[in-house]
Amino acid sequence: GEDVEQSLFLSVREGDSSVINCTYTDSSSTYLYWYKQEPGAGLQLLTYIFSNMDMKQDQRLTVLLNKKDKHLSLRIADTQTGDSAIYFCAEGRTPDNAGNMLTFGGGTRLMVKP
Amino acid sequence: NAGVTQTPKFQVLKTGQSMTLQCAQDMNHEYMSWYRQDPGMGLRLIHYSVGAGITDQGEVPNGYNVSRSTTEDFPLRLLSAAPSQTSVYFCASSYSTGDFTDTQYFGPGTRLTVL
Repeated sequence: GEDVEQSLFLSVREGDSSVINCTYTDSSSTYLYWYKQEPGAGLQLLTYIFSNMDMKQDQRLTVLLNKKDKHLSLRIADTQTGDSAIYFCAEGRTPDNAGNMLTFGGGTRLMVKP
Repeated sequence: NAGVTQTPKFQVLKTGQSMTLQCAQDMNHEYMSWYRQDPGMGLRLIHYSVGAGITDQGEVPNGYNVSRSTTEDFPLRLLSAAPSQTSVYFCASSYSTGDFTDTQYFGPGTRLTVL
């Protein structure tokens, strides 16, 4: 079956870069996503990358995809205390035109220290 | 435009009780889904719907029923609650059923405890 794995916890200092890693097993994944969840809130889509891309940059966010190794990373430049949250990696596929089904990793809790 | 709304925010049930978690969206989205979030396990898909009158099972459907009589509403029913269903439940919706660039919008979640 499909599996998406992430490390549980990451701690960085304000101003440093954060790198959150994710591995997935489903080679049929079409898109890979990063979501952010702040305490007590739902999930907010940060960015996504199509599986035939290697990199996508969006302001402070850089997504790197190594499709051969099935490894995805999210780099946050100049990390701020407001970036403290849980970050979820997800892979998307459409089985039999049944809709955009996502499989999520367990989430990485990012703590940013002032 | 309220987005995706869920009620209630919190609920405590006793084993064997039934209840319905409500989800509504006002964005005219075709695709709606229910996830449960458990510590260290991310979100797991329970049921989803690609349009009014059409529902299907996700990864962990046992113990839950859904229906989709309107585009706007997608209630999740627990027929006989069990402690294993203690979790945070998220409803999500997106515009289309096949375009991966569509953002899935998530509701704020319902925290359910089953004693």
